[in-house]
Amino acid sequence: EAQVTQNPRYLITVTGKKLTVTCSQNMNHEYMSWYRQDPGLGLRQIYYSMNVEVTDKGDVPEGYKVSRKEKRNFPLILESPSPNQTSLYFCASRGQVGNQPQHFGDGTRLSIL
Amino acid sequence: RKEVEQDPGPFNVPEGATVAFNCTYSNSASQSFFWYRQDCRKEPKLLMSVYSSGNEDGRFTAQLNRASQYISLLIRDSKLSDSATYLCVVSRGGSYIPTFGRGTSLIVHP
Repeated sequence: EAQVTQNPRYLITVTGKKLTVTCSQNMNHEYMSWYRQDPGLGLRQIYYSMNVEVTDKGDVPEGYKVSRKEKRNFPLILESPSPNQTSLYFCASRGQVGNQPQHFGDGTRLSIL
Repeated sequence: RKEVEQDPGPFNVPEGATVAFNCTYSNSASQSFFWYRQDCRKEPKLLMSVYSSGNEDGRFTAQLNRASQYISLLIRDSKLSDSATYLCVVSRGGSYIPTFGRGTSLIVHP
């Protein structure tokens, strides 16, 4: 089954404790991206990757890092999480060729205390 | 002006009604357009792509107006299960980097 898998689905943690949210897709997609969604602000792109070892900042990259060492994986790293990073996070992927829609993971709800 | 704008609503309509949403975009070089549906705090799911000539999928019709830079979604014979937030997505450039609107909330009541 074609899917984008995020882990964990839920996480409550404390300020400053490094965390990683994993994202994996099994569709051989070149393009992957991370979004956060906050009430009233919609989906905002954090980082995206056009292919292995190619990443770029989205609209709200501050406080986040990503890596793309393999095509299927695109982890989101919060080196020193802060309460303003409490949010709902989505990973998405799509093929590169032409006009293709994105497939989203189920989401990760992060609470930073 | 925001890159992609939608009326947040909510649109409250009775079952069976016809409802339409618009989404305006600012970048005339935008090349691909989609409507997604998102249920409360769940992942967005593709509803339909929007083609230049307009397209229909059952009760849903999508239109693109390049001259006025907007896309529209028409839902006929609304069902209770259509209650959701509808997100407009516009992609730009050769790399098709997508930009999401903030969504329009639809509530269909009995």
